[in-house]
Amino acid sequence: EAQVTQNPRYLITVTGKKLTVTCSQNMNHEYMSWYRQDPGLGLRQIYYSMNVEVTDKGDVPEGYKVSRKEKRNFPLILESPSPNQTSLYFCASSPRQTYSNQPQHFGDGTRLSIL
Amino acid sequence: SQQGEEDPQALSIQEGENATMNCSYKTSINNLQWYRQNSGRGLVHLILIRSNEREKHSGRLRVTLDTSKKSSSLLITASRAADTASYFCATDSRAGTASKLTFGTGTRLQVTL
Repeated sequence: EAQVTQNPRYLITVTGKKLTVTCSQNMNHEYMSWYRQDPGLGLRQIYYSMNVEVTDKGDVPEGYKVSRKEKRNFPLILESPSPNQTSLYFCASSPRQTYSNQPQHFGDGTRLSIL
Repeated sequence: SQQGEEDPQALSIQEGENATMNCSYKTSINNLQWYRQNSGRGLVHLILIRSNEREKHSGRLRVTLDTSKKSSSLLITASRAADTASYFCATDSRAGTASKLTFGTGTRLQVTL
């Protein structure tokens, strides 16, 4: 089954404790992206990757890191999480995102609570 | 930055009625997409309309696009309780060599029996 898989689905942690949210897709997609969803603000893009070893900042990249060493994986890293990063996070992928007209496939989300 | 703005923010209708949601945006686009999000789940792509198209249908969904007014509408006909969800428009616009998808804040649709 074609899917985008995020782990963990839920995480409660404390300020300053490094964490990684994994994202994996099995569709051989070139493009992957991370979003955060907050009430009243919709989805905002954190980082995106056009292909392996190619990443770029989205609209709200502060406090986050990403890497794209393999095509299928795109982990989101919070080196020193803070309470304002409490949010619902989504990973998404699409075949490519260069001059394209293609929808994105979303994971089921990761709900992070930073205390 | 948020480009798409959905209207209304919330909509409650009875099963069998039609539901119309509107989306306005600010800059030129390659295409506009509509997504559905069930509570606690990820977004699911519904329909994509390109900037040179004016109307598109998919089952009970009808999407229109007016690029002169920078607006789009999503019509769900003969709604069902299972249509209860949040609906988001997303504009795909050029950003260098990439295209960037920008989401609105969504419309919460409640369909009651």
